Amino acid sequence: QSVLTQPPSASGTPGQRVTISCSGSSSNIGSNTVNWYQQLPGTAPKLLIYSNNQRPSGVPDRFSGSKSGTSASLAISGLQSEDEADYYCAAWDDSLNGRYVFGTGTKVTVL
Amino acid sequence: EVQLVESGGGLVQPGRSLRLSCAASGFTFDDYAMHWVRQAPGKGLEWVSGISWNSGSIGYADSVKGRFTISRDNAKNSLYLQMNSLRAEDTALYYCAKDITYYYGSGSYYTVWGQGTLVTVSS
Repeated sequence: QSVLTQPPSASGTPGQRVTISCSGSSSNIGSNTVNWYQQLPGTAPKLLIYSNNQRPSGVPDRFSGSKSGTSASLAISGLQSEDEADYYCAAWDDSLNGRYVFGTGTKVTVL
Repeated sequence: EVQLVESGGGLVQPGRSLRLSCAASGFTFDDYAMHWVRQAPGKGLEWVSGISWNSGSIGYADSVKGRFTISRDNAKNSLYLQMNSLRAEDTALYYCAKDITYYYGSGSYYTVWGQGTLVTVSS
């Protein structure tokens, strides 16, 4: 169902840098902005990055986003234990009368 | 405090109907598009449906098109999802989410989420 592809898992030790990729197509990432959501265990998703690389108020600057062509990335620098969560990329997709699509999700584990 | 509270979930048999509600508070409800997003147990997020501020623009995921109907009552600060002909694969936690802007479409993203209401479709 998901049209945005992410690696199922990523991990790192505290303080390390972790990067999550998100691969799409010309109808979604290629022509629209990318957003990222963080979902801590047992909680609702939370907006982490919007418009490719913007952080909402309150999101630490160790989280950063980027986009190039039909792919996007989320980087977590200075990984902390509280960053252990599921991360989803998302974008508007212009196909099929328009729809909002989420990535397959990436589970980040802090070793 | 900006808040979204979903209700109406429960156990329902395949083929039956259920109506979800989302009560909004802490912001001017009719200034924003609203959405339903679901998450099957142990699975990822799936956009279900979106509605613009004045109900003039509505969209559905292919998986629910023709079975689900989204609506809103701006006078009651409420969002709804009427779910008919429910299937086992509709079993999920259903979230209500507030858009950043009044329309839904390119540029949309969700700034506020409710805690979800669980829908279980089983005989």
